[in-house]
Amino acid sequence: NAGVTQTPKFQVLKTGQSMTLQCAQDMNHNSMYWYRQDPGMGLRLIYYSASEGTTDKGEVPNGYNVSRLNKREFSLRLESAAPSQTSVYFCASREGVRGPTEAFFGQGTRLTVV
Amino acid sequence: GNSVTQMEGPVTLSEEAFLTINCTYTATGYPSLFWYVQYPGEGLQLLLKATKADDKGSNKGFEATYRKETTSFHLEKGSVQVSDSAVYFCALRRVSWGKLQFGAGTQVVVTP
Repeated sequence: NAGVTQTPKFQVLKTGQSMTLQCAQDMNHNSMYWYRQDPGMGLRLIYYSASEGTTDKGEVPNGYNVSRLNKREFSLRLESAAPSQTSVYFCASREGVRGPTEAFFGQGTRLTVV
Repeated sequence: GNSVTQMEGPVTLSEEAFLTINCTYTATGYPSLFWYVQYPGEGLQLLLKATKADDKGSNKGFEATYRKETTSFHLEKGSVQVSDSAVYFCALRRVSWGKLQFGAGTQVVVTP
């Protein structure tokens, strides 16, 4: 039962470098989400994809881009990393946009930008 | 806008003590309410939920009741174990949207 898989688990970047965080789910879910977790601030939504082929901004989209590559995969890209993007990133998926269905989370990617 | 406020941690308890984590919310309409738990080094897992007023969610000995009159969803457990050490997040989701709004999280440390 893989669920939601994120890679890599850890990453250190220099300011200005780019990278892509990968996320894949094997539950045939329609909706996928990217959050960042910062101390004292809980999880904040960066981008989400309600269904394959659509993406929308969340609370804190600046400095990020996303791609919903297919139904399984939803990647998050940092084009030019900044120290303010040091955080733990979580990908989540859910069966649909509406209704009380549960969201499943990956184990997170700990990113440090120096 | 929507918001979730939960008590700051860390909360340190002895094993078998009673745990309460307060959570209050601000939202339009009738949101669904959730508690998620994050064990060390892991992602978030749904602990329990309630979708309408007066509903009680329960799981693994934890309970929370959706109180619309006080806009609260406090988490309780009567006798905690060391294995309950984790960060607990209160969250809401408006019925018409799929996005979760999280509180800041409360770290709970249970000592033997």
